[in-house]
Amino acid sequence: EAGVVQSPRYKIIEKKQPVAFWCNPISGHNTLYWYLQNLGQGPELLIRYENEEAVDDSQLPKDRFSAERLKGVDSTLKIQPAELGDSAVYLCASGNLASNEQFFGPGTRLTVL
Amino acid sequence: QKEVEQNSGPLSVPEGAIASLNCTYSDRVSQSFFWYRQYSGKSPELIMSIYSNGDKEDGRFTAQLNKASQYVSLLIRDSQPSDSATYLCAVNKNTGNQFYFGTGTSLTVIP
Repeated sequence: EAGVVQSPRYKIIEKKQPVAFWCNPISGHNTLYWYLQNLGQGPELLIRYENEEAVDDSQLPKDRFSAERLKGVDSTLKIQPAELGDSAVYLCASGNLASNEQFFGPGTRLTVL
Repeated sequence: QKEVEQNSGPLSVPEGAIASLNCTYSDRVSQSFFWYRQYSGKSPELIMSIYSNGDKEDGRFTAQLNKASQYVSLLIRDSQPSDSATYLCAVNKNTGNQFYFGTGTSLTVIP
């Protein structure tokens, strides 16, 4: 079974530029999560989807971050404009409501210069 | 108060010893508990899930849950250098399927 796919794996941009991350969850998983992880910290939730509905986006900085999950499968997380403090690893995870488990993709390491 | 607390370590154990990793959580409504292993530069990998009080064993790993004390632990028997990683404790409140992660404990197994 294929795991969670994310792209790109690495991204370097200058501050004030836009950036987008893409995630394809494990087939059949109806929940999808975007996390941010800083060095030495645990993942911090940005947004959680159940199917195509964003059920928890309370931690998403909506002035610059946006996300979508059209058709309840793939998801895109966007930052516009990026700031220096956005440098981090952005993790996507998927799961299903029945088991409560979630599985992570490889992440995208963002560096904002 | 943090939802999930872990000792950041580092924890060092000799090869072949038992490594004991601990985690406490603040909200009694928490229902599901998970241990993830994260190698440096990699993403978290699910290694254990536990839902009821007591012990759950899977190979060299044993998860222990005590809901009365709001405490969950992970024991790694016969520790190997390949077990050297950061171990993240995660808690799911089920109400809203919210996951909370600790900051992780760094484990080093010394050959």
